[in-house]
Amino acid sequence: GAVVSQHPSWVICKSGTSVKIECRSLDFQATTMFWYRQFPKQSLMLMATSNEGSKATYEQGVEKDKFLINHASLTLSTLTVTSAHPEDSSFYICSAKIAGVGTEAFFGQGTRLTVV
Amino acid sequence: QQQVKQSPQSLIVQKGGISIINCAYENTAFDYFPWYQQFPGKGPALLIAIRPDVSEKKEGRFTISFNKSAKQFSLHIMDSQPGDSATYFCAASTGGTSYGKLTFGQGTILTVHP
Repeated sequence: GAVVSQHPSWVICKSGTSVKIECRSLDFQATTMFWYRQFPKQSLMLMATSNEGSKATYEQGVEKDKFLINHASLTLSTLTVTSAHPEDSSFYICSAKIAGVGTEAFFGQGTRLTVV
Repeated sequence: QQQVKQSPQSLIVQKGGISIINCAYENTAFDYFPWYQQFPGKGPALLIAIRPDVSEKKEGRFTISFNKSAKQFSLHIMDSQPGDSATYFCAASTGGTSYGKLTFGQGTILTVHP
């Protein structure tokens, strides 16, 4: 149980285009999902907290107009990187927290974004 | 205030040895301390976690030691195996609705030689 799936696993897009990444909780409801970004050989940095039915909360320094987050249902959150540029190339990872239960958040497998 | 500092950056051990990774934090509001294992190109996977009301937790070959007064915690991997070669991250979060919102350490690349 507690499986989180991201799609796609990897994507290559042209500079200036937008790309959408999906994060789904497959076997549980997640009122809260988190989006992280990880550059090569670096740690995970929290980008934003996504709550179902409300606006996402962005961490300091993260451009909310560039990284659009939608959490329209209890099992799906999406991250859209708008007008992507090469510096947005990174590993994007989501995690999902079981609604109303304790401490653990479960991670997806990540999405490798390459902007060319 | 939110930072979690992890050391060493890299660690090489022989098969069967003990791997020890250390983390320190500043924010006394942190009350959940998980460790994650990450393989290249994959998301992190939870190994073991501890709350500050206990000083040690063991699950199989993995043990967390927690020192609340020193604001430090560590991961011990006993009988290290080549399959344990991965990047390990400590993390911390505060309670309530912030559970799951993790602050990660910098990571430790563990290499276990056969």
